[in-house]
Amino acid sequence: DQQVKQNSPSLSVQEGRISILNCDYTNSMFDYFLWYKKYPAEGPTFLISISSIKDKNEDGRFTVFLNKSAKHLSLHIVPSQPGDSAVYFCAASEASGTYKYIFGTGTRLKVLA
Amino acid sequence: GAVVSQHPSRVICKSGTSVKIECRSLDFQATTMFWYRQFPKKSLMLMATSNEGSKATYEQGVEKDKFLINHASLTLSTLTVTSAHPEDSSFYICSARHAARNEQFFGPGTRLTVL
Repeated sequence: DQQVKQNSPSLSVQEGRISILNCDYTNSMFDYFLWYKKYPAEGPTFLISISSIKDKNEDGRFTVFLNKSAKHLSLHIVPSQPGDSAVYFCAASEASGTYKYIFGTGTRLKVLA
Repeated sequence: GAVVSQHPSRVICKSGTSVKIECRSLDFQATTMFWYRQFPKKSLMLMATSNEGSKATYEQGVEKDKFLINHASLTLSTLTVTSAHPEDSSFYICSARHAARNEQFFGPGTRLTVL
């Protein structure tokens, strides 16, 4: 049972344009969400997070939007740069005290120069 | 700060042998560490939660006797893959929870290949 899903396995965007990566979840107990960037054969690198009490969090070129009613979050990268090309994972955690992160299936972003 | 290391970065072993992977938080104390496994082009699958000084908590479907976890100190957790088989070949990643910053920091991963 995949509690966190990223339905687009890949995405190609032109340099300078906006990249929008989507993530859906099923567990209504999730209250903290994160986005990670990952290169092959490396560990994930934290990008940005959002708590369920917010619907938007912005950090430089990265903005995460959360729609709790739809159980959907998205990561916007603008402007996209070739160095952004990587696999992006969303992750979710619930306030159960376990601090476990459940990862989505990943979206491979390719930013074309 | 908040660096997590893993050793080895890659290991090749024969079927039937055991392999130990270390995860260290280099500049912070981690009472909780997590072990993940990633198959090619797949998600990171949480295997277990490693708690310092107590038994690990395994996710459903993960064999605790197969994947032995020890969290002997606040900066070190080890994962031992016992009697490894080719299907255990995977990319294993650990993370360490920085309690003061309420964040998890990931190690660089270990590529295990079982021949």
